[in-house]
Amino acid sequence: EAQVTQNPRYLITVTGKKLTVTCSQNMNHEYMSWYRQDPGLGLRQIYYSMNVEVTDKGDVPEGYKVSRKEKRNFPLILESPSPNQTSLYFCASSPARDIQYFGAGTRLSVL
Amino acid sequence: AQSVAQPEDQVKVAEGNPLTVKCTYSVSGNPYLFWYVQYPNRGLQFLLKYITGDNLVKGSYGFEAEFNKSQTSFHLKKPSALVSDSALYFCAVRHGSSNTGKLIFGQGTTLQVKP
Repeated sequence: EAQVTQNPRYLITVTGKKLTVTCSQNMNHEYMSWYRQDPGLGLRQIYYSMNVEVTDKGDVPEGYKVSRKEKRNFPLILESPSPNQTSLYFCASSPARDIQYFGAGTRLSVL
Repeated sequence: AQSVAQPEDQVKVAEGNPLTVKCTYSVSGNPYLFWYVQYPNRGLQFLLKYITGDNLVKGSYGFEAEFNKSQTSFHLKKPSALVSDSALYFCAVRHGSSNTGKLIFGQGTTLQVKP
């Protein structure tokens, strides 16, 4: 089954404790992205990647890091999480600049 | 700069009535336009897209959207709403001619279809 898998689905952490949200896709897509969803703000793109070792900033990259060492994986790293990073996060993949396939989401709370 | 506006936070319609969810965009060059739907506690699902060609595009679940270049709009429509259409709808735009993975979403419109 074609899918984008994010883990964990729910995460509660404390300020400053490094965390990683994993994202994996099995569709051999070139493009992958991370978004955060906040009420009234819709989805905002954090980072995107157009292929292995090619990443670029989206609209809200501050406080986040990404890497794309393999085509299928695109982890999101919060080196020192802060409460304003409490949000619902989505990973997505797409073939070139076409339709995005979204993961189920990761709800993060930073206390 | 690219932007997308969904001017209505919420749209309410009665089941069986036509529905419209509005979207306007701003992008230099040719736009790639998308509509996605999000059901509670789920990720986003693709509904339809406009890349080029016919201005009226048809998508999943009986939805369609009309691309209007002069009004820079891409409104989502359905002739007869179902209660099961109740969800959060997002419009998104990508610059068509630049080699970038950047995608801009609107803030979302909650559609409520009443029985």
